[in-house]
Amino acid sequence: DAKTTQPNSMESNEEEPVHLPCNHSTISGTDYIHWYRQLPSQGPEYVIHGLTSNVNNRMASLAIAEDRKSSTLILHRATLRDAAVYYCIYSDGLTFGKGTHLIIQP
Amino acid sequence: NAGVTQTPKFQVLKTGQSMTLQCAQDMNHEYMSWYRQDPGMGLRLIHYSVGAGITDQGEVPNGYNVSRSTTEDFPLRLLSAAPSQTSVYFCASSYSMRVANEKLFFGSGTQLSVL
Repeated sequence: DAKTTQPNSMESNEEEPVHLPCNHSTISGTDYIHWYRQLPSQGPEYVIHGLTSNVNNRMASLAIAEDRKSSTLILHRATLRDAAVYYCIYSDGLTFGKGTHLIIQP
Repeated sequence: NAGVTQTPKFQVLKTGQSMTLQCAQDMNHEYMSWYRQDPGMGLRLIHYSVGAGITDQGEVPNGYNVSRSTTEDFPLRLLSAAPSQTSVYFCASSYSMRVANEKLFFGSGTQLSVL
């Protein structure tokens, strides 16, 4: 199964940018990198995905390293509603690790 | 726009009882899957289906059965519930079998307790 490595938890202040890292050293050239987040008591929801170049959408930005062995999810201005567990996955999306628990301080 | 609908939201079973968790999607998605999530853990894949009539095992299939008679529905059956199956169950779907460039849509989950 595809494996990614993420920090267990991160803390940030409201209205500041947040950079969530993910290592995926065994990624293949055709695997897309996906990010999902899970708010308390809800199912995961899609955030963003990309292959090689950086990606932006209304929720976040995804910065992918040139060698594709790591990526960073960027929340440009965190709000309290961004407090969630963030999952980085790739390949067939079969394996979700424990993700990063993001805590936002007011 | 309903998306992925799971029923029931909560269920309590006694050891040895059987039940079916329902999952339906109205997006004409080919790929559907079931995950379980234990406290403090990530999601583990139980079974998945790449189209009507086709199912396959995921990471933790033991104790669960699935079938896919229609594109819309993908029920998960517990034949003889055990306390180890106490968990939150999520159903997910996507347009094609490879999630590579497709997003997964998740249901809101079923919280199952087996006493």
